[in-house]
Amino acid sequence: NAGVTQTPKFQVLKTGQSMTLQCAQDMNHEYMSWYRQDPGMGLRLIHYSVGAGITDQGEVPNGYNVSRSTTEDFPLRLLSAAPSQTSVYFCASSYSVHQVHEQYFGPGTRLTVT
Amino acid sequence: TQLLEQSPQFLSIQEGENLTVYCNSSSVFSSLQWYRQEPGEGPVLLVTVVTGGEVKKLKRLTFQFGDARKDSSLHITAAQPGDTGLYLCAGKGGATNKLIFGTGTLLAVQP
Repeated sequence: NAGVTQTPKFQVLKTGQSMTLQCAQDMNHEYMSWYRQDPGMGLRLIHYSVGAGITDQGEVPNGYNVSRSTTEDFPLRLLSAAPSQTSVYFCASSYSVHQVHEQYFGPGTRLTVT
Repeated sequence: TQLLEQSPQFLSIQEGENLTVYCNSSSVFSSLQWYRQEPGEGPVLLVTVVTGGEVKKLKRLTFQFGDARKDSSLHITAAQPGDTGLYLCAGKGGATNKLIFGTGTLLAVQP
């Protein structure tokens, strides 16, 4: 199994540009999430999905869109990039055992917005 | 808003020393997890604790969940350079039932 894969690994955008961060998992996990990681702030939840066709907002959803058309894929779209979105983005998938989620993270995408 | 505060933020120690990292909150969590993250990689789950007062051991790492399920600690015995990394706690519970991550503790173990 490849686990959770993310592309690209690095990206530089200009303010106002849009782009999609790709995330895929091959573990048939029902739950998928997107986080951003900024220095001194841990990981903050952007959006998450509990299954194909179902998504919900996390802690910091503004400026981001998601969709979940298949179990495997969970892309994150930046609509109009801003310097405040410079961060490292992690995708995670998980399954639930007695309501406890064991999360598996991808390697991350480092995004710089100039 | 639920917050998980970790202390210390940074820790630099010599190989062979012992250390403890703390994860504190004013909120109650139904479960708490610890992750380790190495540079350029995603976090990797180390352990999940679900019962107040629970203690779990993973080789030289000992994890404890507070009796009131509001705090947790990670103790490393005889630290090794391979323990170097960012340690993150994450709690689940409260009104949102989402996973909330702590601020992280960056550990450097010098050989």
